[in-house]
Amino acid sequence: QQQVKQSPQSLIVQKGGIPIINCAYENTAFDYFPWYQQFPGKGPALLIAIRPDVSEKKEGRFTISFNKSAKQFSLHIMDSQPGDSATYFCAASIGTGNQFYFGTGTSLTVIP
Amino acid sequence: DAMVIQNPRYQVTQFGKPVTLSCSQTLNHNVMYWYQQKSSQAPKLLFHYYDKDFNNEADTPDNFQSRRPNTSFCFLDIRSPGLGDAAMYLCATSRGGGPSNQPQHFGDGTRLSIL
Repeated sequence: QQQVKQSPQSLIVQKGGIPIINCAYENTAFDYFPWYQQFPGKGPALLIAIRPDVSEKKEGRFTISFNKSAKQFSLHIMDSQPGDSATYFCAASIGTGNQFYFGTGTSLTVIP
Repeated sequence: DAMVIQNPRYQVTQFGKPVTLSCSQTLNHNVMYWYQQKSSQAPKLLFHYYDKDFNNEADTPDNFQSRRPNTSFCFLDIRSPGLGDAAMYLCATSRGGGPSNQPQHFGDGTRLSIL
């Protein structure tokens, strides 16, 4: 059973566009929601994370929007650049359970 | 500076020949994880250590074992690799034990190929 559902599977945008990647979850016990960025041949790197007590968090060009009632969260990339082309994974975890549940990933291509 | 270091970056082994992958960390994190990632898929958790406590995922094959001799090092042993075990193996760490979760820090992985 997929604990975290992610969409779309792939996304192509023009430079300067605002790609949006969506994730949904069922387990209301999740209380930490990180996003990871992965380049080919590299491990995932933490991009930004949010906890359910806030509805939005922004770091540079990356913004997470969080809708607790809908059990959804999304990543927005402002003014996207070709260097943002990568695979993005959302994830969720419960308290101190030490386990992270990953979404299936979104392959983003930003065209110059 | 790399904080989670995996060696080797690329490993080729023969079908059925045991192989060991290694991971070291300079973060002094008490939780270490091993993930298997196949092409275009999400990382799949194999097991994790909380200090010396080993936690195996229910669907991790018995063919996969792990050792953590100290805080800094963790090993993944594949006793009899099959063709289906060809994948990227990722090690990650996090600081567990606090009131809420902390992010995971990943190494760059070991790409395992089976001949």
